[in-house]
Amino acid sequence: GQQLNQSPQSMFIQEGEDVSMNCTSSSIFNTWLWYKQEPGEGPVLLIALYKAGELTSNGRLTAQFGITRKDSFLNISASIPSDVGIYFCAGQLMNRDDKIIFGKGTRLHILP
Amino acid sequence: NAGVTQTPKFRVLKTGQSMTLLCAQDMNHEYMYWYRQDPGMGLRLIHYSVGEGTTAKGEVPDGYNVSRLKKQNFLLGLESAAPSQTSVYFCASSYRYRVTYEQYFGPGTRLTVT
Repeated sequence: GQQLNQSPQSMFIQEGEDVSMNCTSSSIFNTWLWYKQEPGEGPVLLIALYKAGELTSNGRLTAQFGITRKDSFLNISASIPSDVGIYFCAGQLMNRDDKIIFGKGTRLHILP
Repeated sequence: NAGVTQTPKFRVLKTGQSMTLLCAQDMNHEYMYWYRQDPGMGLRLIHYSVGEGTTAKGEVPDGYNVSRLKKQNFLLGLESAAPSQTSVYFCASSYRYRVTYEQYFGPGTRLTVT
């Protein structure tokens, strides 16, 4: 089936550092979504992207829809302890408007 | 607005028992989804529904059944639970059109099958 390759799988960073993660695929997507999941909770939508090349920010978070439509990137600037969690990318495939597929997540750890 | 709610939050079953997980949404969303989440596996789609009275198989449908009798509710059933179905189950919902493919998730049901 279709797959999203999300990397890195986990990250250990110092508080205050910037974070970058990405998702890639061999398939073309119409929509990219980024979610955050905290322990014991369901995923929460952070950013939605609908156009190739689109760059969208949500506070310290910035995400981009890759020009090739096959990838997306999420950056977090000046990380803080509450950024800890699992970040998932998700994509809606071209010609499939009924569901999205998820990457396996990037687990972010922040060292004091 | 409660958003997406799931009941129960936790459940322990013995192998062979059956149960139904209930998902409810109050956002008038057309689409609803059931996922399971296992360590290192991300979110895997079990079944989904594009409208009242319709259901479709996702990536890992075996051992599960679903029903969408009302637009706001989506039920996930396990007829004969197996230890391999120990997981955290998430329900999600979304609008149908491009307004958003954004899915909104419930808090999850943690199921253990012994």
